[in-house]
Amino acid sequence: GENVEQHPSTLSVQEGDSAVIKCTYSDSASNYFPWYKQELGKGPQLIIDIRSNVGEKKDQRIAVTLNKTAKHFSLHITETQPEDSAVYFCAARYSTLTFGKGTMLLVSP
Amino acid sequence: EAGVAQSPRYKIIEKRQSVAFWCNPISGHATLYWYQQILGQGPKLLIQFQNNGVVDDSQLPKDRFSAERLKGVDSTLKIQPAKLEDSAVYLCASSPSGLNEQYFGPGTRLTVT
Repeated sequence: GENVEQHPSTLSVQEGDSAVIKCTYSDSASNYFPWYKQELGKGPQLIIDIRSNVGEKKDQRIAVTLNKTAKHFSLHITETQPEDSAVYFCAARYSTLTFGKGTMLLVSP
Repeated sequence: EAGVAQSPRYKIIEKRQSVAFWCNPISGHATLYWYQQILGQGPKLLIQFQNNGVVDDSQLPKDRFSAERLKGVDSTLKIQPAKLEDSAVYLCASSPSGLNEQYFGPGTRLTVT
């Protein structure tokens, strides 16, 4: 089955800096790659996704890149703010979603 | 638009007891998922329904876990009997179809003592 590795497990940045989270996947048939943000005590919230026919997608301060050849994808957050602090999960899907183990992002004022 | 509803939000039981969780998906969403999220890990799919039929339950421990979605709307996940290792957050998600983005509920935090 699919295996998704996510790095780093924790990431601390200063407000205004950029943050990058990287994921690799094992199943070359996977064709959908969402990113979720999970705040304490809440369910995961979809923040951006990308499909395998696209190399990059951007939504305001958030962007995702996909390298199908290398089987990795990344989340980029620019101009980070304290409210960006949360756990971020990447996932990959061919038939069902497989999640990474998450990255705890801490943005210090 | 109302989101995915789950109840209860918290549950504490002793091992070998039974527990049930309820989920009401977003109106009109045909696909419903149950995930288990152990502390410090990503969600793991337990079962996926398309309307009231099971699409994937390959990771559901069927000796103790069961789930149903009788009328293609609400769903119930049951654990009987519970083990200590079942302590986790149980998340319900829904999507318009199996190919669309999934929307998660707030989850039910289960503690088995």
